[in-house]
Amino acid sequence: GEKVEQHESTLSVREGDSAVINCTYTDTASSYFPWYKQEAGKSLHFVIDIRSNVDRKQSQRLIVLLDKKAKRFSLHITATQPEDSAIYFCAASSGGSNYKLTFGKGTLLTVTP
Amino acid sequence: ETAVFQTPNYHVTQVGNEVSFNCKQTLGHDTMYWYKQDSKKLLKIMFSYNNKQLIVNETVPRRFSPQSSDKAHLNLRIKSVEPEDSAVYLCASSPDWGGVTLYFGSGTRLTVL
Repeated sequence: GEKVEQHESTLSVREGDSAVINCTYTDTASSYFPWYKQEAGKSLHFVIDIRSNVDRKQSQRLIVLLDKKAKRFSLHITATQPEDSAIYFCAASSGGSNYKLTFGKGTLLTVTP
Repeated sequence: ETAVFQTPNYHVTQVGNEVSFNCKQTLGHDTMYWYKQDSKKLLKIMFSYNNKQLIVNETVPRRFSPQSSDKAHLNLRIKSVEPEDSAVYLCASSPDWGGVTLYFGSGTRLTVL
């Protein structure tokens, strides 16, 4: 089955800098790659996703890059703010099914003022 | 804005007891899920219910059983809990089956003594 590795378990940046979180996946059939954010003591909420038919997607300060050859995708947060501090989870889905959504282990991002 | 409601928020019980968690979504979604998040924040799918079809993750022990009265409700029963069941159980819903955003509830934290 699919395995998703999230390379950074923790990441600390200064406010205003960029943060990059990297993930790799194993299943070449994976076609859907969402990112979720979990703030301290709260549940997960969706932040951005990318599908395999594109290699870049941007939503305000969030950019997702997908390299299908390398089976790698990454989340870039530009101009970080303290409220960006949270755990970020990447995920990959083979066959486009949410049931087969496999999550990475999460990256704790801390943005210091 | 919360639209996936879980009760209770916390539950403490002893080994061997039966517990039941409730989940209701008001988004009109067709698909609902149960995820388990362990102490290391690792997320794993347990069950998915789509248009009255239940998909069971084969790695889930038989003491876990989902219960659905309609597409807005998906409850989780654990018969005879064990210490390794201590975790946060997250309910989620999505509009459809594949490659779409998941909306998570706030979770039920289970502690098994």
